[in-house]
Amino acid sequence: AQKITQTQPGMFVQEKEAVTLDCTYDTSDQSYGLFWYKQPSSGEMIFLIYQGSYDEQNATEGRYSLNFQKARKSANLVISASQLGDSAMYFCAMSPDSNYQLIWGAGTKLIIKP
Amino acid sequence: DTGVSQNPRHKITKRGQNVTFRCDPISEHNRLYWYRQTLGQGPEFLTYFQNEAQLEKSRLLSDRFSAERPKGSFSTLEIQRTEQGDSAMYLCASTWVNTEAFFGQGTRLTVV
Repeated sequence: AQKITQTQPGMFVQEKEAVTLDCTYDTSDQSYGLFWYKQPSSGEMIFLIYQGSYDEQNATEGRYSLNFQKARKSANLVISASQLGDSAMYFCAMSPDSNYQLIWGAGTKLIIKP
Repeated sequence: DTGVSQNPRHKITKRGQNVTFRCDPISEHNRLYWYRQTLGQGPEFLTYFQNEAQLEKSRLLSDRFSAERPKGSFSTLEIQRTEQGDSAMYLCASTWVNTEAFFGQGTRLTVV
């Protein structure tokens, strides 16, 4: 079955520290995409970063990088130099090749402490 | 174009009433998705359109739910005879082929 697992329901991190949010996935598809979204309390889903299954290099977008380990089926999000505005829910999602829907994890609530 | 727009942002309705939500996607996007998100959970897929064709529906979408996308532009999601279990955030997203999905701010439905 296709599934996304986020094992950290919540995390507290000191401002300016780096943080890693865990994500593992399960799929039998050879081609798939992995996404991270941020959802602040306002409710909007904000796209952060994308990794294709055939991409050999880890994706980076500003302070965000995706630590993609295909053999372990993990796609962890790394946020460098965390800021107070990073406090939000973070969701990992997968787009399998076999259908059009995004499959989502349960999310991790990240709180940045000043 | 300012992104995906959803209306209304909030809806409170009595059990048994019908409600309709609207989503205006980014104009050049041909794919449109509806998701439902309950408190503390990730979104759950409901249905998907490519242009005006509804290509996939989740088993979560009971007979009381219907979605349309006339002319491949805006989409509506209607829930008939609402139940308390329908209370959730309803999210709409649009995308072009093989790009990331852009989400609206959602419609929060409360059934009392």
